[in-house]
Amino acid sequence: KQEVTQIPAALSVPEGENLVLNCSFTDSAIYNLQWFRQDPGKGLTSLLLIQSSQREQTSGRLNASLDKSSGRSTLYIAASQPGDSATYLCAVNDSGYALNFGKGTSLLVTP
Amino acid sequence: DVKVTQSSRYLVKRTGEKVFLECVQDMDHENMFWYRQDPGLGLRLIYFSYDVKMKEKGDIPEGYSVSREKKERFSLILESASTNQTSMYLCASSLKLQGYEQYFGPGTRLTVT
Repeated sequence: KQEVTQIPAALSVPEGENLVLNCSFTDSAIYNLQWFRQDPGKGLTSLLLIQSSQREQTSGRLNASLDKSSGRSTLYIAASQPGDSATYLCAVNDSGYALNFGKGTSLLVTP
Repeated sequence: DVKVTQSSRYLVKRTGEKVFLECVQDMDHENMFWYRQDPGLGLRLIYFSYDVKMKEKGDIPEGYSVSREKKERFSLILESASTNQTSMYLCASSLKLQGYEQYFGPGTRLTVT
């Protein structure tokens, strides 16, 4: 069964720093990988979707990379802001339907 | 923009009650999903539907059933609510299955007392 791991579980950085969140998965036979943001008590907001044939995707200050052969993805956040504080989840689609989620990285950006 | 809405943000029910959670999407998506999210366990798939009246069990279907009578609407039913079903319930939809982005609703925080 696919295992998705996110490291670190929690991260605190000062405003303005560039940061990297990591996601690893055990089975490289995936259709795609999706990064989400979740604010406390709220639903998930999709940030980026990377297809298995792609190496990276960018949206504004966010850049996600995918190395399928090594089972790794990173989410790079440039010039972090307090409004970026949230939990970030990665999820892989290896069955064609369900997403397998990591437990998330809780990010706090301090002013 | 895709919009997925859920009927309630917060719900409090008593043990043994029948509970209906409703989800509506407005983008003509084929597929809809119900997940639950618990601290330390993450998100787990309960059921999904790939067409009207079609459904498939996910990882944790016990104690739940679903209904999809119209393409835009997917209901999760707790036949007899129990305290271990206290959780955050998240609905999602996608245009098709393989390789397509899933969009999530705001969630329903259900408490069973």
